[in-house]
Amino acid sequence: DAKTTQPPSMDCAEGRAANLPCNHSTISGNEYVYWYRQIHSQGPQYIIHGLKNNETNEMASLIITEDRKSSTLILPHATLRDTAVYYCIVLGTNAGKSTFGDGTTLTVKP
Amino acid sequence: GAVVSQHPSWVICKSGTSVKIECRSLDFQATTMFWYRQFPKQSLMLMATSNEGSKATYEQGVEKDKFLINHASLTLSTLTVTSAHPEDSSFYICSARGRQGMTDTQYFGPGTRLTVL
Repeated sequence: DAKTTQPPSMDCAEGRAANLPCNHSTISGNEYVYWYRQIHSQGPQYIIHGLKNNETNEMASLIITEDRKSSTLILPHATLRDTAVYYCIVLGTNAGKSTFGDGTTLTVKP
Repeated sequence: GAVVSQHPSWVICKSGTSVKIECRSLDFQATTMFWYRQFPKQSLMLMATSNEGSKATYEQGVEKDKFLINHASLTLSTLTVTSAHPEDSSFYICSARGRQGMTDTQYFGPGTRLTVL
């Protein structure tokens, strides 16, 4: 599975949009981009995933570039409870490996 | 979203004993299950991948005789830490991948905190 690169940390003001970038330049055609977040001492929580079209759900929006080499997770109105480590991973449709990078620690400040 | 449960959520054991951790997908059939371990302030480290009815595939450096994985059904996988030692103390997280709608999605359990004395 393709490797991902994320900035180690980001800050965001409460109520503002948080935009978290991810590079996945080696992604292949059948691989999806998935986003998870992990709050201290809990298992990762699924947020959203996509193949090539932009996606939106009740938690977030996912913008994938046309060449699919990068994506951005958008939390439209960040709250203090959104403070967490956010992981972007790439998964194929077959039963391939699922490995995590270091993620981005998002800190939402009042 | 789908639910993955783990049991127990935490366990303390003496050195030399074995500990079994269960992972269940509650509302979908998991074609593949993954086991991770996580040390403080670090990312998740994949230990092994298992498909139902098949032997698990272990990552390099993970001892298959020490970390026994059984994936007996599409909803249950177990990880047994045999002859546990203090260095095995960690946060163990399972994950289940299954078909949700048109695509496969991977969901994670809440984790099991293992402390070996």
